Amino acid sequence: AQRVTQPEKLLSVFKGAPVELKCNYSYSGSPELFWYVQYSRQRLQLLLRHISRESIKGFTADLNKGETSFHLKKPFAQEEDSAMYYCALSGMEYGNKLVFGAGTILRVKS
Amino acid sequence: DVKVTQSSRYLVKRTGEKVFLECVQDMDHENMFWYRQDPGLGLRLIYFSYDVKMKEKGDIPEGYSVSREKKERFSLILESASTNQTSMYLCASSGRVTEAFFGQGTRLTVV
Repeated sequence: AQRVTQPEKLLSVFKGAPVELKCNYSYSGSPELFWYVQYSRQRLQLLLRHISRESIKGFTADLNKGETSFHLKKPFAQEEDSAMYYCALSGMEYGNKLVFGAGTILRVKS
Repeated sequence: DVKVTQSSRYLVKRTGEKVFLECVQDMDHENMFWYRQDPGLGLRLIYFSYDVKMKEKGDIPEGYSVSREKKERFSLILESASTNQTSMYLCASSGRVTEAFFGQGTRLTVV
């Protein structure tokens, strides 16, 4: 079965501090992992996907198949990073069904 | 720009009413999804569709049905609305290799 776990409901950090949002998954096969972000009063949008292997807005995420994790990291948090972050999982073994975690609120304090 | 449009931003319905939530996308995407978004529970998949007239149950299909008669339109139906269906409903679409694009959401209140 597909499952995404985000253990933290809220992560609060100071501006300039490093950020790590945790995501663990369970999946049989070759998953595709994503991070989506929802800023206040905006629609949910893609932040990054593991196959792109790129940095978006200073965020990176590495797929660790051994630990079944896809943690989101940023070395120096900015106030505009405050948002709700969702980890998501998809794969052809389940007909491209897209499943999300419970989300983590990131609050960056000045 | 990809557009996923949900027919209403806010809806208030009475218990027992039949409710239709409409979603239209303009990118010729094969996949369309309906989620509900609740605090602390994240996005939970209700139904998804990978082609016209094709549908698959998600994690919480009870009390809901869907219809996809045309590729661009995916409707969510609450057969008999109940107060525990008060929530934010999100529609999304994706192509075979693209990420999902989301609508603005419909906040449904059942009284």
